[in-house]
Amino acid sequence: GQNIDQPTEMTATEGAIVQINCTYQTSGFNGLFWYQQHAGEAPTFLSYNVLDGLEEKGRFSSFLSRSKGYSYLLLKELQMKDSASYLCAVRAGSSNTGKLIFGQGTTLQVKP
Amino acid sequence: DVKVTQSSRYLVKRTGEKVFLECVQDMDHENMFWYRQDPGLGLRLIYFSYDVKMKEKGDIPEGYSVSREKKERFSLILESASTNQTSMYLCASSLRGGGFNYGYTFGSGTRLTVV
Repeated sequence: GQNIDQPTEMTATEGAIVQINCTYQTSGFNGLFWYQQHAGEAPTFLSYNVLDGLEEKGRFSSFLSRSKGYSYLLLKELQMKDSASYLCAVRAGSSNTGKLIFGQGTTLQVKP
Repeated sequence: DVKVTQSSRYLVKRTGEKVFLECVQDMDHENMFWYRQDPGLGLRLIYFSYDVKMKEKGDIPEGYSVSREKKERFSLILESASTNQTSMYLCASSLRGGGFNYGYTFGSGTRLTVV
């Protein structure tokens, strides 16, 4: 079966660093995505990993280990506006159809 | 600014009604998707289409159908709405090949309540 696990909720302090983990078991792997979703809004793209290692983009970084079926999203210098849900998604099937399988999402609350 | 537009932000329908949710994208994307999002369950794929007049079932197609007569438009149809179809519905699109490094572009969602 297809399974993507991430913590349901996390809390962190403004200015701190937080790591959101994602583990996956899928039949096939063709890339892992992280999206950010503020309450009542559409998910927006944050990062993409297809090879092992770390991808850095400003305050956000994403890491992938394909052998372990594991990824994390690292948020540095947290700001209040980072309070949102973070969705981990795997493209498991044909790269032609691009179908994504999503985890349940992690709701991050940033406190002053 | 590229867009995926869903026709309604909020809808309230009665049990047994036939409901149409419309999605239009202006990016000339081949692939289009319908998901529903429920607390604790995440996004679950209902149907997707990778070309005009083509459709494939996702993980939870029961009670739904779709139509894609034009490349830019993908419609989700609830044949006979039921209260367990109360949910947030998200439309998304991507290039063939999955939008190699950015995946999907999402619409703003339609929050459907069936009473």
